[in-house]
Amino acid sequence: QQQVKQSPQSLIVQKGGISIINCAYENTAFDYFPWYQQFPGKGPALLIAIRPDVSEKKEGRFTISFNKSAKQFSLHIMDSQPGDSATYFCAASMGGSEKLVFGKGTKLTVNP
Amino acid sequence: DGGITQSPKYLFRKEGQNVTLSCEQNLNHDAMYWYRQDPGQGLRLIYYSQIVNDFQKGDIAEGYSVSREKKESFPLTVTSAQKNPTAFYLCASSLDRGRGGYTFGSGTRLTVV
Repeated sequence: QQQVKQSPQSLIVQKGGISIINCAYENTAFDYFPWYQQFPGKGPALLIAIRPDVSEKKEGRFTISFNKSAKQFSLHIMDSQPGDSATYFCAASMGGSEKLVFGKGTKLTVNP
Repeated sequence: DGGITQSPKYLFRKEGQNVTLSCEQNLNHDAMYWYRQDPGQGLRLIYYSQIVNDFQKGDIAEGYSVSREKKESFPLTVTSAQKNPTAFYLCASSLDRGRGGYTFGSGTRLTVV
């Protein structure tokens, strides 16, 4: 119940396309869902986050869609660019806990 | 600029040796964490600390030890009991309850030689 399942493991998209990464969870007590972006040899950086009281959050080309009933959330990257090539991690935590549970990551490659 | 500093960036360990990875933050964050990253495994929690002089085991604490004597510092020792220590180690910190998200350091790559 503590797991967050992330798919796909790797994704190749053409420049200008839409990248979609999906995550699913079981624990309905989770109430905070961030996405992190990691470039090779660097630590992950917070990209965008959502709480279950909203179904969508958009920041620039990045959008989180959240489906509470399905216990799923996804990251959409519009107009994908080669500079978006990185590993993306979804995560979740529950109220009162500092601990984040991470998905296993998706390696995104955007071809020019 | 505020942030988390991990050192060294690369570390080589001989069999049977203990090594200590440094993590320092100047963000005035309460909580600090250590994660291990292996290819295809995501981020796995080793230890975490919510306040000074207190820390908790994560999912893969065996073979590791930590201390939290100062709010700013959370060093990780990889002991000889850790049979497969070669990995990328990440330190992170967060404000209380983690609601602002984690701030990660740039990592230390540990290799056993």
